[in-house]
Amino acid sequence: AQSVAQPEDQVNVAEGNPLTVKCTYSVSGNPYLFWYVQYPNRGLQFLLKYITGDNLVKGSYGFEAEFNKSQTSFHLKKPSALVSDSALYFCAAASGNTPLVFGKGTRLSVIA
Amino acid sequence: ETGVTQSPTHLIKTRGQQVTLRCSSQSGHNTVSWYQQALGQGPQFIFQYYREEENGRGNFPPRFSGLQFPNYSSELNVNALELDDSALYLCASSFSKGWFTGELFFGEGSRLTVL
Repeated sequence: AQSVAQPEDQVNVAEGNPLTVKCTYSVSGNPYLFWYVQYPNRGLQFLLKYITGDNLVKGSYGFEAEFNKSQTSFHLKKPSALVSDSALYFCAAASGNTPLVFGKGTRLSVIA
Repeated sequence: ETGVTQSPTHLIKTRGQQVTLRCSSQSGHNTVSWYQQALGQGPQFIFQYYREEENGRGNFPPRFSGLQFPNYSSELNVNALELDDSALYLCASSFSKGWFTGELFFGEGSRLTVL
């Protein structure tokens, strides 16, 4: 069965510092990997995806993620965090014939 | 290009009742997926419709059912509501040629409270 693990329930970072939100996945076949962000009482907004190609993927709002096949990881990163980045972040994975499976989410808090 | 819209945004039901949630897909999309997000959890896949037929289902009982219409709008129906059905229900649309081919575009969700 497919699964996504986000080992940290909460990540705290000071404004201006780099941030990393961790994600590991387990899928059969080649993975399709995604990051979504959710603000309070809102739906999920797409940030970035990895389907194929370059392992470093750049997305919205200055976020990027690195696909590491050997470690089955897809960590989300940003060089300099903003207070407005504070939100709930979800990693998700699928393969060619399976639905998108989400992790339980990581709450990012950026402190001014 | 219109986004995914869901209605109602909030509703309260009592145990045993039935509920219908509605979703209008993003223009040009032919696939709709429904997810349940319980408080503090990630979204859980309920089912997916492609060209008006269900072509995937998660671990949800038959009292969760759905429809997709020719204009690709969709409904989620839940019968015999239970307290644990209280959650945010998310609709997501995408363009697909059969199964998963790209990112999902989510609506704002319908928050269901069962008392």
